[in-house]
Amino acid sequence: AQKITQTQPGMFVQEKEAVTLDCTYDTSDQSYGLFWYKQPSSGEMIFLIYQGSYDEQNATEGRYSLNFQKARKSANLVISASQLGDSAMYFCAMRERNFGNEKLTFGTGTRLTIIP
Amino acid sequence: DARVTQTPRDKVTEMGQEVTMRCQPILGHNTVFWYRQTMMQGLELLAYFRNRAPLDDSGMPKDRFSAEMPDATLATLKIQPSEPRDSAVYFCASGPGGGRAWDTQYFGPGTRLTVL
Repeated sequence: AQKITQTQPGMFVQEKEAVTLDCTYDTSDQSYGLFWYKQPSSGEMIFLIYQGSYDEQNATEGRYSLNFQKARKSANLVISASQLGDSAMYFCAMRERNFGNEKLTFGTGTRLTIIP
Repeated sequence: DARVTQTPRDKVTEMGQEVTMRCQPILGHNTVFWYRQTMMQGLELLAYFRNRAPLDDSGMPKDRFSAEMPDATLATLKIQPSEPRDSAVYFCASGPGGGRAWDTQYFGPGTRLTVL
Protein backbone atom coordinates (compact mmCIF):
# COMPACT_ATOMS: atom_id res chain seq x y z
CA ALA A 1 0.00 0.00 0.00
CA GLN A 2 1.12 3.52 -0.76
CA LYS A 3 2.27 5.35 2.34
CA ILE A 4 1.52 8.77 0.85
CA THR A 5 -1.24 9.26 -1.70
CA GLN A 6 -1.79 12.42 -3.68
CA THR A 7 -4.80 11.81 -5.90
CA GLN A 8 -4.67 15.02 -7.94
CA PRO A 9 -2.02 14.78 -10.67
CA GLY A 10 -2.82 18.31 -11.80
CA MET A 11 -4.94 21.29 -10.80
CA PHE A 12 -5.80 24.58 -12.45
CA VAL A 13 -6.86 27.44 -10.20
CA GLN A 14 -7.73 31.06 -10.89
CA GLU A 15 -5.37 33.60 -9.41
CA LYS A 16 -6.41 34.92 -5.97
CA GLU A 17 -8.58 31.90 -5.25
CA ALA A 18 -7.81 29.47 -2.45
CA VAL A 19 -6.66 25.99 -3.36
CA THR A 20 -6.57 22.71 -1.46
CA LEU A 21 -4.09 20.00 -2.37
CA ASP A 22 -5.01 16.58 -1.06
CA CYS A 23 -2.75 14.18 0.80
CA THR A 24 -3.63 10.99 2.61
CA TYR A 25 -1.16 8.80 4.43
CA ASP A 26 -0.89 5.34 5.86
CA THR A 27 1.01 4.51 9.01
CA SER A 28 0.59 2.43 12.12
CA ASP A 29 2.96 4.64 14.11
CA GLN A 30 1.61 7.03 16.71
CA SER A 31 4.45 9.50 16.28
CA TYR A 32 5.07 10.85 12.81
CA GLY A 33 5.57 14.07 10.92
CA LEU A 34 3.98 15.35 7.74
CA PHE A 35 5.69 17.79 5.41
CA TRP A 36 4.85 19.70 2.27
CA TYR A 37 7.44 20.74 -0.28
CA LYS A 38 7.14 22.93 -3.36
CA GLN A 39 9.12 22.24 -6.51
CA PRO A 40 8.97 25.08 -9.06
CA SER A 41 10.06 24.61 -12.65
CA SER A 42 13.60 25.53 -11.66
CA GLY A 43 13.77 22.20 -9.86
CA GLU A 44 14.69 22.97 -6.27
CA MET A 45 12.69 21.47 -3.40
CA ILE A 46 11.41 24.13 -1.04
CA PHE A 47 10.11 23.25 2.42
CA LEU A 48 6.72 24.84 3.08
CA ILE A 49 5.11 23.52 6.23
CA TYR A 50 5.23 20.79 8.87
CA GLN A 51 2.55 19.06 10.99
CA GLY A 52 3.32 16.69 13.84
CA SER A 53 1.02 13.83 14.72
CA TYR A 54 0.62 15.10 18.27
CA ASP A 55 0.02 18.71 17.30
CA GLU A 56 -3.49 19.69 18.31
CA GLN A 57 -3.64 22.75 16.11
CA ASN A 58 -3.29 22.88 12.35
CA ALA A 59 0.04 24.28 11.20
CA THR A 60 0.12 27.63 9.42
CA GLU A 61 2.94 29.47 7.63
CA GLY A 62 1.87 32.68 5.96
CA ARG A 63 -0.50 31.80 3.12
CA TYR A 64 0.00 28.08 3.71
CA SER A 65 -2.00 26.06 6.18
CA LEU A 66 -2.31 22.37 6.75
CA ASN A 67 -5.73 20.85 7.27
CA PHE A 68 -4.81 17.90 9.47
CA GLN A 69 -7.49 15.30 10.09
CA LYS A 70 -5.81 12.54 12.05
CA ALA A 71 -8.73 10.12 12.16
CA ARG A 72 -9.05 10.30 8.40
CA LYS A 73 -5.27 10.24 7.95
CA SER A 74 -5.30 13.28 5.76
CA ALA A 75 -2.99 16.29 5.67
CA ASN A 76 -4.23 18.63 2.98
CA LEU A 77 -2.31 21.77 2.06
CA VAL A 78 -4.37 24.93 1.73
CA ILE A 79 -2.95 27.92 -0.12
CA SER A 80 -4.93 31.08 0.37
CA ALA A 81 -5.10 33.90 -2.18
CA SER A 82 -3.12 32.03 -4.81
CA GLN A 83 -0.48 33.84 -6.85
CA LEU A 84 1.12 33.14 -10.21
CA GLY A 85 4.31 32.21 -8.40
CA ASP A 86 2.50 29.34 -6.70
CA SER A 87 2.53 27.40 -9.97
CA ALA A 88 4.71 24.39 -9.21
CA MET A 89 4.72 20.73 -8.22
CA TYR A 90 3.73 20.11 -4.63
CA PHE A 91 4.83 17.05 -2.70
CA CYS A 92 3.47 15.67 0.53
CA ALA A 93 5.91 13.62 2.61
CA MET A 94 5.86 11.67 5.85
CA ARG A 95 8.45 10.74 8.40
CA GLU A 96 7.57 7.91 10.74
CA ARG A 97 8.79 7.39 14.31
CA ASN A 98 11.02 9.45 16.47
CA PHE A 99 14.68 8.57 16.74
CA GLY A 100 16.43 6.41 14.25
CA ASN A 101 14.28 6.55 11.16
CA GLU A 102 14.71 9.88 9.46
CA LYS A 103 13.64 8.85 5.99
CA LEU A 104 11.03 10.94 4.21
CA THR A 105 8.53 9.07 2.05
CA PHE A 106 7.11 11.23 -0.70
CA GLY A 107 3.87 11.17 -2.62
CA THR A 108 3.75 11.42 -6.40
CA GLY A 109 3.00 15.12 -6.32
CA THR A 110 0.36 17.51 -7.65
CA ARG A 111 1.14 19.96 -10.42
CA LEU A 112 -0.60 23.24 -9.62
CA THR A 113 -1.10 25.83 -12.32
CA ILE A 114 -2.39 29.28 -11.41
CA ILE A 115 -4.33 30.96 -14.19
CA PRO A 116 -4.16 34.76 -14.47
CA ASP B 1 20.88 32.57 4.41
CA ALA B 2 22.04 29.01 5.06
CA ARG B 3 21.58 26.66 2.13
CA VAL B 4 22.61 23.24 0.97
CA THR B 5 24.89 23.51 -2.04
CA GLN B 6 25.45 20.88 -4.69
CA THR B 7 27.92 20.59 -7.55
CA PRO B 8 27.73 20.18 -10.43
CA ARG B 9 24.27 21.44 -11.24
CA ASP B 10 24.23 19.62 -14.55
CA LYS B 11 26.30 16.70 -15.74
CA VAL B 12 26.24 14.97 -19.10
CA THR B 13 28.41 11.92 -19.44
CA GLU B 14 28.77 8.77 -21.46
CA MET B 15 27.89 5.31 -20.30
CA GLY B 16 30.70 3.69 -18.37
CA GLN B 17 32.18 6.92 -17.05
CA GLU B 18 32.57 7.70 -13.37
CA VAL B 19 30.35 10.44 -11.97
CA THR B 20 30.95 12.25 -8.69
CA MET B 21 28.38 14.55 -7.15
CA ARG B 22 29.20 16.75 -4.18
CA CYS B 23 27.12 18.30 -1.46
CA GLN B 24 27.84 20.83 1.26
CA PRO B 25 25.22 20.55 4.02
CA ILE B 26 24.00 23.47 6.08
CA LEU B 27 26.54 24.31 8.77
CA GLY B 28 25.59 22.63 12.01
CA HIS B 29 23.38 20.00 10.41
CA ASN B 30 24.54 16.50 11.21
CA THR B 31 22.30 14.43 8.96
CA VAL B 32 22.76 14.28 5.20
CA PHE B 33 20.48 12.56 2.73
CA TRP B 34 20.80 11.62 -0.92
CA TYR B 35 17.56 11.36 -2.91
CA ARG B 36 16.99 10.56 -6.57
CA GLN B 37 14.06 11.89 -8.58
CA THR B 38 12.85 10.30 -11.79
CA MET B 39 9.58 10.52 -13.64
CA MET B 40 8.92 6.81 -13.14
CA GLN B 41 9.93 6.37 -9.49
CA GLY B 42 9.41 9.84 -8.11
CA LEU B 43 11.56 10.83 -5.14
CA GLU B 44 13.37 7.98 -3.46
CA LEU B 45 15.97 7.87 -0.72
CA LEU B 46 19.32 6.43 -1.73
CA ALA B 47 21.31 6.84 1.47
CA TYR B 48 21.70 8.94 4.57
CA PHE B 49 24.32 9.77 7.17
CA ARG B 50 24.27 10.97 10.73
CA ASN B 51 27.43 12.46 12.16
CA ARG B 52 29.18 11.27 8.99
CA ALA B 53 28.30 7.62 9.63
CA PRO B 54 26.14 5.86 7.06
CA LEU B 55 22.83 4.80 8.61
CA ASP B 56 20.82 3.58 5.68
CA ASP B 57 21.95 2.91 2.13
CA SER B 58 19.36 0.28 1.31
CA GLY B 59 18.00 2.36 -1.56
CA MET B 60 21.32 2.46 -3.36
CA PRO B 61 22.53 -0.05 -5.98
CA LYS B 62 25.64 -1.24 -4.15
CA ASP B 63 27.48 -2.53 -7.16
CA ARG B 64 27.89 0.86 -8.77
CA PHE B 65 26.92 3.54 -6.26
CA SER B 66 28.87 4.70 -3.24
CA ALA B 67 28.24 7.49 -0.77
CA GLU B 68 30.70 8.97 1.68
CA MET B 69 31.21 11.91 4.01
CA PRO B 70 34.92 12.68 4.10
CA ASP B 71 34.22 15.45 6.59
CA ALA B 72 31.29 17.28 8.14
CA THR B 73 31.14 19.82 5.31
CA LEU B 74 31.26 17.46 2.34
CA ALA B 75 29.17 14.54 1.18
CA THR B 76 29.84 12.70 -2.07
CA LEU B 77 27.83 10.34 -4.23
CA LYS B 78 29.72 8.37 -6.85
CA ILE B 79 28.48 6.22 -9.68
CA GLN B 80 30.97 3.91 -11.36
CA PRO B 81 30.32 2.84 -14.03
CA SER B 82 27.37 5.03 -14.96
CA GLU B 83 24.48 3.69 -17.03
CA PRO B 84 21.69 5.44 -18.98
CA ARG B 85 19.15 4.32 -16.34
CA ASP B 86 21.03 6.44 -13.80
CA SER B 87 19.82 9.58 -15.57
CA ALA B 88 17.87 11.53 -12.96
CA VAL B 89 18.02 14.51 -10.65
CA TYR B 90 20.02 13.78 -7.52
CA PHE B 91 19.19 15.82 -4.46
CA CYS B 92 21.18 16.25 -1.32
CA ALA B 93 19.34 17.33 1.82
CA SER B 94 20.51 18.09 5.32
CA GLY B 95 18.78 18.23 8.68
CA PRO B 96 19.56 19.02 12.30
CA GLY B 97 19.52 15.34 13.11
CA GLY B 98 17.92 15.42 16.50
CA GLY B 99 15.98 12.31 15.63
CA ARG B 100 12.72 14.09 16.26
CA ALA B 101 9.71 13.71 13.97
CA TRP B 102 9.65 17.45 13.32
CA ASP B 103 13.24 17.79 12.15
CA THR B 104 12.97 19.30 8.69
CA GLN B 105 15.15 18.31 5.78
CA TYR B 106 16.39 21.14 3.61
CA PHE B 107 17.18 20.32 0.02
CA GLY B 108 19.92 21.49 -2.26
CA PRO B 109 19.24 22.58 -5.85
CA GLY B 110 19.97 19.12 -7.24
CA THR B 111 22.34 17.69 -9.85
CA ARG B 112 20.72 16.82 -13.15
CA LEU B 113 22.58 13.80 -14.50
CA THR B 114 22.26 12.61 -18.06
CA VAL B 115 24.06 9.43 -19.07
CA LEU B 116 24.22 8.89 -22.82
